[in-house]
Amino acid sequence: DTGVSQDPRHKITKRGQNVTFRCDPISEHNRLYWYRQTLGQGPEFLTYFQNEAQLEKSRLLSNRFSAERPKGSFSTLEIQRTEQGDSAMYLCASSLSGGGWGSGDYGYTFGSGTRLTVV
Amino acid sequence: AQTVTQSQPEMSVQEAETVTLSCTYDTSESDYYLFWYKQPPSRQMILVIRQEAYKQQNATENRFSVNFQKAAKSFSLKISDSQLGDAAMYFCAYRSLNTGNQFYFGTGTSLTVIP
Repeated sequence: DTGVSQDPRHKITKRGQNVTFRCDPISEHNRLYWYRQTLGQGPEFLTYFQNEAQLEKSRLLSNRFSAERPKGSFSTLEIQRTEQGDSAMYLCASSLSGGGWGSGDYGYTFGSGTRLTVV
Repeated sequence: AQTVTQSQPEMSVQEAETVTLSCTYDTSESDYYLFWYKQPPSRQMILVIRQEAYKQQNATENRFSVNFQKAAKSFSLKISDSQLGDAAMYFCAYRSLNTGNQFYFGTGTSLTVIP
C-alpha cells in the first residue's frame, strides 16, 4: 500500500466548467475525508465518509459540490460550474475508525492533494 | 466551533538549535486530541506528534516534544537539534473525541532552518 493517492495532482479549468477529483485511501481505512486548503490557511473540513455513507458535511460544501464513495473504497469530489473562488488545494485523508481513547483513530493519513486553478 | 490559533506565521532557527512553535485553542470540551502536522513544500501533510487531552504527560517523539497546558489551552511544539529537513509549514490541529470527526487546523507556521 502506497498511502493515500489523489488524482490529478494539478487541474486548470475555465470558470463554469465541471471538475472531478479522485481519492484512493489506504485500503484498510474505512473513513475518508475531504478538506480544502487555500493559500496561507490551514485545511478546512468539507465532508467525511464512513465506508460508503457520507456522515458529515460542512456548510462550505455548497450545492455545487458533491462527493461520493460508492463502494466504500475510492471517493470522488465533483465541483460543478466552477468559480474562481474554488481555486485551492483539495486534500483527501483517510483513517481507521474508532472513537474512544485507544481506539487507534488518532490522526489522518493525507494524500498529496489536487491543486485546482480556475481561470 | 473550536478555533485553533497559531500566532507565528513564520519562524526561523539555526541548524542544530531548538525552536518552539506556539499554538492555542478554544474549546468547551474536556476530551479531545491535539496534533502537530508538518507540510513540506509541495508534499503531503505528515503527522509529527499527538496528545490526548486526558494525559498530563507531554508527548515526545524523538526530537519533537510538546508542552501541553490544558488549563491555558496551549499546545506548543519544541523541535530540538533542528535539521534542514525540518523546514516546512507546521499546522496545529484539534479534534474532539466525542463530537464530530473533523479536525480544526490553525493557519500554520512556516519554519525556515538556516544552515
